[in-house]
Amino acid sequence: DAGITQSPRYKITETGRQVTLMCHQTWSHSYMFWYRQDLGHGLRLIYYSAAADITDKGEVPDGYVVSRSKTENFPLTLESATRSQTSVYFCASSGDEQFFGPGTRLTVL
Amino acid sequence: AQSVTQLDSQVPVFEEAPVELRCNYSSSVSVYLFWYVQYPNQGLQLLLKYLSGSTLVKGINGFEAEFNKSQTSFHLRKPSVHISDTAEYFCAVSDLYNFNKFYFGSGTKLNVKP
Repeated sequence: DAGITQSPRYKITETGRQVTLMCHQTWSHSYMFWYRQDLGHGLRLIYYSAAADITDKGEVPDGYVVSRSKTENFPLTLESATRSQTSVYFCASSGDEQFFGPGTRLTVL
Repeated sequence: AQSVTQLDSQVPVFEEAPVELRCNYSSSVSVYLFWYVQYPNQGLQLLLKYLSGSTLVKGINGFEAEFNKSQTSFHLRKPSVHISDTAEYFCAVSDLYNFNKFYFGSGTKLNVKP
């Protein structure tokens, strides 16, 4: 099925551990995005990518790393997770609107 | 950079009543405007969008929004809400020079009561 998927849907980890959130889209959209959603802040852009091997920082990039070796995948890595990174993470891709994945709920203990 | 303000964090309303969710933006260039809906534990779905043309935009589920350039607003309306409209609504803006980069408001929770 065409669409955008995220894995895992739920993740619990400990402070200091590395965590990678996966995002895959089947539309071949050039642009992809990672957001975090926190109460009172709406969605904040972490990183985005205009094409394979082209990435750029968003509003809140500190503590996160992205890569985009293939157009369809855009993984987000927390190199050393902190409690403040407990959030719901959404991946999106863009045609003439942004299409969102179902989200990953990450808890850092 | 753009910014989006959704002044109402929560809007309670009774079923079958009309509702308006407010959105204001700031931008010095031509903008594109969007409303998304998020149901509990789900991702965001597009309700409607304004790219050009008529300033009154109709979307899914009976929602509509009007682009008002002079007031830099894009308020969302529905004449008669249902319980199933209970969700969080996000306004977003992008611009002519960087269409793919969206800026989202902080969201408005619509609570429809029976």
